[in-house]
Amino acid sequence: DAGVTQSPTHLIKTRGQQVTLRCSPKSGHDTVSWYQQALGQGPQFIFQYYEEEERQRGNFPDRFSGHQFPNYSSELNVNALLLGDSALYLCASSPLVERSTDTQYFGPGTRLTVL
Amino acid sequence: EDQVTQSPEALRLQEGESSSLNCSYTVSGLRGLFWYRQDPGKGPEFLFTLYSAGEEKEKERLKATLTKKESFLHITAPKPEDSATYLCAVTTGANNLFFGTGTRLTVIP
Repeated sequence: DAGVTQSPTHLIKTRGQQVTLRCSPKSGHDTVSWYQQALGQGPQFIFQYYEEEERQRGNFPDRFSGHQFPNYSSELNVNALLLGDSALYLCASSPLVERSTDTQYFGPGTRLTVL
Repeated sequence: EDQVTQSPEALRLQEGESSSLNCSYTVSGLRGLFWYRQDPGKGPEFLFTLYSAGEEKEKERLKATLTKKESFLHITAPKPEDSATYLCAVTTGANNLFFGTGTRLTVIP
């Protein structure tokens, strides 16, 4: 049973560019959440997708946007990259958004470096 | 404002030396508390979910407990392969996790 997968593994961009990160959830999961983890910090919630809609959003600017596809996979897009966007971006999946105590399972992450 | 504080920030143990990590939280309406293990450059790996005060869960050398204000992760007779960052997270609903900054554990052979 494949777990959560993310691509690419690493990415290097320059300031002002745009980036798209991809995530496939664990089999049987339909909810995808994205987190940003700066070096030495805990992950911070960006947003969550369920039924192809953004259901909840953390304290991140509109430069961060996402999408969920009918097969439950998801993309995270970041526009106008800043140096401060350099981080490990984590995708997590869970069975149902309404069951708020369900465990989230994380992928390996995408390391984004902005120069 | 919701807050999760983990202590200590870093912990060095000799192999076999048992200890505990602390996660204290101030949230409105705790729905669940989670412990994850994270190796450098990798995604967090799920360990435990605790839902109510008094609950305990065990897995190999790890045991997690929960009170109304904090959770402990007890590590019994740790081995070098237990070296990692241990993250605590809480949810108050709607499935988003609020994380602490983690405890970096190093177990010396």
